[in-house]
Order: sequence, then structure tokens, then C-alpha cells
Amino acid sequence: AQSVAQPEDQVNVAEGNPLTVKCTYSVSGNPYLFWYVQYPNRGLQFLLKYITGDNLVKGSYGFEAEFNKSQTSFHLKKPSALVSDSALYFCAVRASRTDSNYQLIWGAGTKLIIKP
Amino acid sequence: GAVVSQHPSRVICKSGTSVKIECRSLDFQATTMFWYRQFPKQSLMLMATSNEGSKATYEQGVEKDKFLINHASLTLSTLTVTSAHPEDSSFYICSAGRAGRNRNGEQFFGPGTRLTVL
Repeated sequence: AQSVAQPEDQVNVAEGNPLTVKCTYSVSGNPYLFWYVQYPNRGLQFLLKYITGDNLVKGSYGFEAEFNKSQTSFHLKKPSALVSDSALYFCAVRASRTDSNYQLIWGAGTKLIIKP
Repeated sequence: GAVVSQHPSRVICKSGTSVKIECRSLDFQATTMFWYRQFPKQSLMLMATSNEGSKATYEQGVEKDKFLINHASLTLSTLTVTSAHPEDSSFYICSAGRAGRNRNGEQFFGPGTRLTVL
């Protein structure tokens, strides 16, 4: 079965420290992976995606993610956290079924809290 | 580019009434639009997928007669919550996939609509 797991409900990081938000996936075929961020009472904003190519993907707001095929992971990272990075982060993978209209399968979300 | 709008952003209605939410792709054509529902502090729950000019595909457990979806053009999809009940109160989010470029799965999201049913 296809799935996405975000094992941490919440991640707390001090401002200026590096942050990592974890994501692992299970999908048949080549994965198309995404990270989105959601600020309170707002829709989702695209951060970055991995389709093919370099395993390290750079995205918006200084975020990057590393695709690791052997570990089936796509962890989100940032070298130096900002208080404004505090938000809800979702990992998603494109469904493999050809009749799926290329739906996204979503992780449960990780709340990131950056403390001053 | 790739901006999606939703209207209204917030709506309060009485139980038993119907509410229509519009989702528009402003600067691109969207062959496929997705409607999600999100409960507080939870992930997105896909309700249905709509393709322009055809009937929507509903996820298991979503009542198609209660949540009417129309995707009449390549830039507009609407979700109508019929005979709303307080348990329909939620945050509804739409997203759109670009025509001809949806194969990678990338979706562009609207800002969401907060529905409160009294």
C-alpha cells in the first residue's frame, strides 16, 4: 500500500539551529515527492519537490530536502531556523495508480516550533 | 504564476442551508481540481477529484449528494455543501493541477475556506 509517514507530530528547534523534519514513504515505482507548508488558517504553500536528478533538492525560504532511495526517505532540512519558519509541514507523494488523476498521498503533518 | 483563489475565505451559515465555494485558477488552465477537507491540527483529507467536463470522483465515505462538485471550465470548480449541518464545519481547501503538466503530481493550492455551520 502506498503511504507517507511523518513520525514526529511536533519538532522544537531553537532559532539559529539546524532543523530536520522527517518523512518516509512507500510507493511503487519512482516516487514524486513534495513538501508543503501551511501557516495558521491558510492554504498550503509549495516548498519543493523531487522528481528526478540530484538527490538534494533546494526550495523556497532556504529549505532543502534530501531524497534517499535506500532509506525511502525525503527529510526536510534548513541550516539555520527562523522563528517565522514555525508552521505545519506536510510531506506528500504522488500516487502511482494510473487512474488516480495523480493524486497526492499526504503525511499527517509535523508542527514545527522555532523558539527565539 | 500558478495562483489559485478561493471564495469566500470564510462563511457562516445556518443549519439546513447550502453553501457554495468557488475555486479558480487565475493564470493557468486546470484540467484537474482537488477538494480537501482539513480538521483542526490534522492532515488534509481528499474529498473528491474533478476533471473539467466530467463527473467528479469521490473518495470513499464522502457523500456525493451532499458535497456537489462542478468543474464547468478549465479555470473554475465549485463545491456546494448542501443541507449543511454543524458537523460539516471545517476548513475546505481546493487545489489545481495544470493542464498538460499534471503528470508530476504538483498541485497549486487555494487559501482555503473556513465554513462554520450554526
